[in-house]
Amino acid sequence: ETGVTQTPRHLVMGMTNKKSLKCEQHLGHNAMYWYKQSAKKPLELMFVYNFKEQTENNSVPSRFSPECPNSSHLFLHLHTLQPEDSALYLCASSQDRGLAYYEQYFGPGTRLTVT
Amino acid sequence: GQNIDQPTEMTATEGAIVQINCTYQTSGFNGLFWYQQHAGEAPTFLSYNVLDGLEEKGRFSSFLSRSKGYSYLLLKELQMKDSASYLCAVLDSNYQLIWGAGTKLIIKP
Repeated sequence: ETGVTQTPRHLVMGMTNKKSLKCEQHLGHNAMYWYKQSAKKPLELMFVYNFKEQTENNSVPSRFSPECPNSSHLFLHLHTLQPEDSALYLCASSQDRGLAYYEQYFGPGTRLTVT
Repeated sequence: GQNIDQPTEMTATEGAIVQINCTYQTSGFNGLFWYQQHAGEAPTFLSYNVLDGLEEKGRFSSFLSRSKGYSYLLLKELQMKDSASYLCAVLDSNYQLIWGAGTKLIIKP
């Protein structure tokens, strides 16, 4: 596998379910990101991890819970979601976040539908 | 507040040229990015501008005017595979990426 991979690619879940999204990067990067992409809206940054430490949490509801066990893996744990949480969830990685900025590499996303 | 504006949708003909505009109002500026996103796929990096002027990469060019808060992406010799959404994003003074909603480009034969 190369680049950034995400599983599953599609997920349908009820509002009472618990599920997890997985992201893995094979690029040797140290920063990883979760984004939410809704139709005709800008990408919304949810969480940033730099060297496994969460450095940003953009007022995301607690029903979304990230986990970063190492620099290559990132999870997004989901529970008691709402229908408005239906969206494409994108994972990205880059060189370390720091004060400089590096190009982000995106995974293909997980299309989430909450019923 | 911070804002990125780009047209929602554009249509162009195969073989032609199209210009996708992006205007921004942000807290500071540390560069502007263009990404391409095909339907159902990951966004992929196209270009980065931090100084005024035109950057050319094959059929794609990106222009920046910092004084006007304006950029455009120019696509020449359009091909059907160029049908995609094009995302403009600005890096603000805190190195936060501010994203536009994207421009869906439709190429017709």
